[in-house]
Amino acid sequence: GDSVTQMEGPVTLSEEAFLTINCTYTATGYPSLFWYVQYPGEGLQLLLKATKADDKGSNKGFEATYRKETTSFHLEKGSVQVSDSAVYFCASGSSNTGKLIFGQGTTLQVKP
Amino acid sequence: DSGVTQTPKHLITATGQRVTLRCSPRSGDLSVYWYQQSLDQGLQFLIQYYNGEERAKGNILERFSAQQFPDLHSELNLSSLELGDSALYFCASSVGTVRNTEAFFGQGTRLTVV
Repeated sequence: GDSVTQMEGPVTLSEEAFLTINCTYTATGYPSLFWYVQYPGEGLQLLLKATKADDKGSNKGFEATYRKETTSFHLEKGSVQVSDSAVYFCASGSSNTGKLIFGQGTTLQVKP
Repeated sequence: DSGVTQTPKHLITATGQRVTLRCSPRSGDLSVYWYQQSLDQGLQFLIQYYNGEERAKGNILERFSAQQFPDLHSELNLSSLELGDSALYFCASSVGTVRNTEAFFGQGTRLTVV
């Protein structure tokens, strides 16, 4: 069945460091791919999305490119801030099954 | 504010009991999704409804059931509760299927089974 695998956390970085959180997926057909962010005590918020191969989603300095050949959707940011500290979830949305499947989440902690 | 409303925010109940969690989707959204978030299991997809009909099923226990009503709100019923059912339950909604539209999440209901 469909699945999403993220790199395990926690990831701890200093402010202004470069961030990469790896995400790979398995799916039948061509899913849409998403990154969601969850701040402490809150629900999930959509960060960015891509709906087809080679699409690049971007928002708030974060970006991710839909790579069909490597079935990946890695999240990157050039310079993280303390306010980016949160849990990041990669997700795959299948038009075939109607399911929105999440990875296990990666906790990011940014230190001043 | 995502526009998705979940009630109650917190629920404490005893083992063996039954509870109902409620979700009101964003205006105009036809799809509702339910998720269970626990520390050791991450975010688990339970079930999806689209315009009143079950569309997809995930790892939902037989003790759990859900429905979506004509006004599009949804309820998740959890019965014969066990300690392991303690978790954060999220509802999300989207206009259509997740192929081309994003899902918006509510703040969640924190269920504690004692």
